[in-house]
Amino acid sequence: DTEVTQTPKHLVMGMTNKKSLKCEQHMGHRAMYWYKQKAKKPPELMFVYSYEKLSINESVPSRFSPECPNSSLLNLHLHALQPEDSALYLCASSQVGQGANTIYFGEGSWLTVV
Amino acid sequence: GENVEQHPSTLSVQEGDSAVIKCTYSDSASNYFPWYKQELGKRPQLIIDIRSNVGEKKDQRIAVTLNKTAKHFSLHITETQPEDSAVYFCAAFMDTGRRALTFGSGTRLQVQP
Repeated sequence: DTEVTQTPKHLVMGMTNKKSLKCEQHMGHRAMYWYKQKAKKPPELMFVYSYEKLSINESVPSRFSPECPNSSLLNLHLHALQPEDSALYLCASSQVGQGANTIYFGEGSWLTVV
Repeated sequence: GENVEQHPSTLSVQEGDSAVIKCTYSDSASNYFPWYKQELGKRPQLIIDIRSNVGEKKDQRIAVTLNKTAKHFSLHITETQPEDSAVYFCAAFMDTGRRALTFGSGTRLQVQP
């Protein structure tokens, strides 16, 4: 099983709402990632978790709050977002260690902020 | 940090022709170089990858070459087909330090029937 599962697939939220994006993998991967992708742009790294600890935060605004409750799950909590935060949010996972680099992406969550 | 440059930004070829996309990276510590194909509205899909101890890798009509000295790597697609039309991203990754993919800016490939 090489699946990374993301829910929901589509989300529309108001600027005062609180919502969460969820990501799950059962490949035993110990690194998990959140990327944001705007139209016609490459994916842009937001956060990296390694062994359930936050290892990289790419200076993401605090209205995005990541959480890694266990080795299989990764959440992205959203609060007080702006319309410019509308994008495709991609979760990914990989093994940790030398030579263990293949990174698997989920199908993404399309977020629209109104 | 790592910086990946990708050229060209758009590429139009006739069906059956070859297509070549080139990338350069800045950090010599990068040791893994995947290529992703992304169709409209879909996730990036890994199509081929190469590790720094290898100079070339082929998978049917797709090949990737790596020149570690010059810090560049290329994607070659032969006998292109209309279904190859998509955006292609190169990326670089390092085992140590900043363990995350850095993507190139993407190439929109259009294969004309």
